[in-house]
Amino acid sequence: DAGVIQSPRHEVTEMGQEVTLRCKPISGHNSLFWYRQTMMRGLELLIYFNNNVPIDDSGMPEDRFSAKMPNASFSTLKIQPSEPRDSAVYFCASSLAGKDEKLFFGSGTQLSVL
Amino acid sequence: QKEVEQNSGPLSVPEGAIASLNCTYSDRGSQSFFWYRQYSGKSPELIMSIYSNGDKEDGRFTAQLNKASQYVSLLIRDSQPSDSATYLCAVRRSYIPTFGRGTSLIVHP
Repeated sequence: DAGVIQSPRHEVTEMGQEVTLRCKPISGHNSLFWYRQTMMRGLELLIYFNNNVPIDDSGMPEDRFSAKMPNASFSTLKIQPSEPRDSAVYFCASSLAGKDEKLFFGSGTQLSVL
Repeated sequence: QKEVEQNSGPLSVPEGAIASLNCTYSDRGSQSFFWYRQYSGKSPELIMSIYSNGDKEDGRFTAQLNKASQYVSLLIRDSQPSDSATYLCAVRRSYIPTFGRGTSLIVHP
């Protein structure tokens, strides 16, 4: 398996623009997580899906953020409108729900909002 | 108070020494505990998991868990320069892992 695939690797945009981040989890995994990492706050959970259903979105900062998982092999995280404080590395991770819950991370998307 | 606490470091050790990384957590209902390694500019990767009190060894790595004290540690024996990275402690309850901010480890030759 190719692992968790994220795109794009880098995104530079201007304040107010819409940003869409994409993720393909590992085939067979039924849990998907979106995390955001900054120097100040570390790795923060944004949203957790299980079997394509959002289970916990308490980490989504505000209404500007939305996430979808239309099927088991694809998820998106959208920011509209983007702001400079959204600049961070966004990671998608997947796992197989059960006792272990070991996360496998994608390469991340480095987002810069100017 | 953050749920998972780690000293940000950096922790600097000479090559060949034992590096000791520590983590405390606040949720007594936590069920699983993980150590991830993150090289600069890369994504976290799992190196150890531990679920019950005591020690768990895997090669040069030993994870230690004390649920009564809400304390998890990672020992790296015979540290190598290639071990230089940020080590993230993660604690899971109800299927959602919560991460500490990580400890930066520097192994100097």
